Amino acid sequence: AQSVTQPDIHITVSEGASLELRCNYSYGATPYLFWYVQSPGQGLQLLLKYFSGDTLVQGIKGFEAEFKRSQSSFNLRKPSVHWSDAAEYFCAVGYSGGYQKVTFGIGTKLQVIP
Amino acid sequence: DAGVTQSPTHLIKTRGQQVTLRCSPKSGHDTVSWYQQALGQGPQFIFQYYEEEERQRGNFPDRFSGHQFPNYSSELNVNALLLGDSALYLCASSLKGLDTQYFGPGTRLTVL
Repeated sequence: AQSVTQPDIHITVSEGASLELRCNYSYGATPYLFWYVQSPGQGLQLLLKYFSGDTLVQGIKGFEAEFKRSQSSFNLRKPSVHWSDAAEYFCAVGYSGGYQKVTFGIGTKLQVIP
Repeated sequence: DAGVTQSPTHLIKTRGQQVTLRCSPKSGHDTVSWYQQALGQGPQFIFQYYEEEERQRGNFPDRFSGHQFPNYSSELNVNALLLGDSALYLCASSLKGLDTQYFGPGTRLTVL
């Protein structure tokens, strides 16, 4: 069964500092990987996704993520955090085939301090 | 291009009651998935509908049921509500074969 681990429940960074959110997955084949962001009381917005090809994926809002098969990881990065990036971030894994069940991690809550 | 819409936004029910939540998929999408997100948790997959049939189901009891209409919109029904059913219910739509799900804003269900 597929699973996702986000080891950091809560992260605090200063505005302008770099950010890395960790994600490890468990899946028997090549996974489809996603990062979503959720503002309080809101739905989920897709930041980026990895299906195949280049292992460094660019997303919206200046985010990027790198797929490392050997480490079963898909960490999210941003070089300079803005106060508006404060939100909850979810890593998710799915698989191809049309009927896609997506499994989410527990989420990492990002706090940005001035 | 309309995104995924859900109604109602908020709902308050009492234990034992039944509730129906509604979802309209993003234009051009034909697959709808439902998720339950309890406070402080990630979304948990409930089920997925395609061509008006339930195609996949997560680990939820039969009290949770759904329906998809010919226009691809969907309903989630929950019977005999429990306090533990209080959560944000998220609908996501996708196009079969393209694998990226787009989420609606959710329905916040409170069971008293």
